[in-house]
Amino acid sequence: GAVVSQHPSWVICKSGTSVKIECRSLDFQATTMFWYRQFPKQSLMLMATSNEGSKATYEQGVEKDKFLINHASLTLSTLTVTSAHPEDSSFYICSANPPGSFQAFFGQGTRLTVV
Amino acid sequence: QKEVEQDPGPLSVPEGAIVSLNCTYSNSAFQYFMWYRQYSRKGPELLMYTYSSGNKEDGRFTAQVDKSSKYISLFIRDSQPSDSATYLCAMSPYSSASKIIFGSGTRLSIRP
Repeated sequence: GAVVSQHPSWVICKSGTSVKIECRSLDFQATTMFWYRQFPKQSLMLMATSNEGSKATYEQGVEKDKFLINHASLTLSTLTVTSAHPEDSSFYICSANPPGSFQAFFGQGTRLTVV
Repeated sequence: QKEVEQDPGPLSVPEGAIVSLNCTYSNSAFQYFMWYRQYSRKGPELLMYTYSSGNKEDGRFTAQVDKSSKYISLFIRDSQPSDSATYLCAMSPYSSASKIIFGSGTRLSIRP
């Protein structure tokens, strides 16, 4: 199957700092990638759709200025959590679909802890 | 009403039992149906996918879709402790990259 790599797998940061998470499609090009957030024992909640070469599309209730998304190339999307607070602590996961496929492949996830 | 409903469990069964996991949905436009398995602190991995109604079998796993009832199922035969994970159903109306709607996930535990 297709491979999506996410980095880092975990990060601890201080309140008020910014954290960048990378999502890479390793063996296919992805014009669209998706960013999810998952709280313990809960399902995936779509945060935003990352579009290569254009602005990301955010879901209702997700702060655009707080969660900055950049999809600069066909294989890389980044999510930057700005001015992080403890309530931003969560598991962040990205996904991408190979061209023409409805099958989403997920990264390993990034566990963010803000202290 | 959520677009996709899934019993969160937890579901605990003895090793070797047949497991049945289910989801219901409300959007008749969904055509692509998937089951993902997620181990703790890992990203979900695609287990099976089906298009429209019908059955699909892969080893010990069988996926069923009944579009008339808006009901999908995943059966696991001869369950193993390594099958212990959270299982998420997912569906989409489109054939290409698009939003996928996930169920809340069912936590499954297989007792040795």
